[in-house]
Amino acid sequence: AQSVAQPEDQVNVAEGNPLTVKCTYSVSGNPYLFWYVQYPNRGLQFLLKYITGDNLVKGSYGFEAEFNKSQTSFHLKKPSALVSDSALYFCAVRDPTTGFQKLVFGTGTRLLVSP
Amino acid sequence: GAGVSQSPSNKVTEKGKDVELRCDPISGHTALYWYRQRLGQGLEFLIYFQGNSAPDKSGLPSDRFSAERTGESVSTLTIQRTQQEDSAVYLCASSLTETSYEQYFGPGTRLTVT
Repeated sequence: AQSVAQPEDQVNVAEGNPLTVKCTYSVSGNPYLFWYVQYPNRGLQFLLKYITGDNLVKGSYGFEAEFNKSQTSFHLKKPSALVSDSALYFCAVRDPTTGFQKLVFGTGTRLLVSP
Repeated sequence: GAGVSQSPSNKVTEKGKDVELRCDPISGHTALYWYRQRLGQGLEFLIYFQGNSAPDKSGLPSDRFSAERTGESVSTLTIQRTQQEDSAVYLCASSLTETSYEQYFGPGTRLTVT
């Protein structure tokens, strides 16, 4: 069965510093991987995805993520954090070999960027 | 264009009552998903609709939960005889097709069962 782990409940970073939000996954086939962000009282917004190709994918708001097959990881990164990046971040995986269309989400990581 | 909309935004109900939650997907999106987000937890898949195909109900937690979709339009999630453990935010998402990668989420319905 596919699963996603986000080992950190919260990540604290100062504005202007680089940030990393960690995600590891488990699937039987080649994964489709996603990052979503949830701002207070708003729905989830799509940030970026990895389907195939380059391991480094770039997404919205200056975020990027690196797919590492050997480490089964898909960490979210940003070179310089903004206070407005403070939100709840979810990693998700889909295993296309199962035929299931659903996404399996991690438990989320709260990012807090201090001024 | 308009995004996914859900109603009501908040619902407080007494234990044992039935509730109905509504989702309006993005126009033209053929795939529709329901998820549940309990406080402090990730999203749990509930049910998936794709066009006229039989829905994937594998995530529904009990037979008190059911969902319908009218063609490629509105969907309703019904919870019968609500229990306190049903309290959560119920999120709806849609995607252009079943093979589209991005799912677009609505703002959710916060259900509180007292």
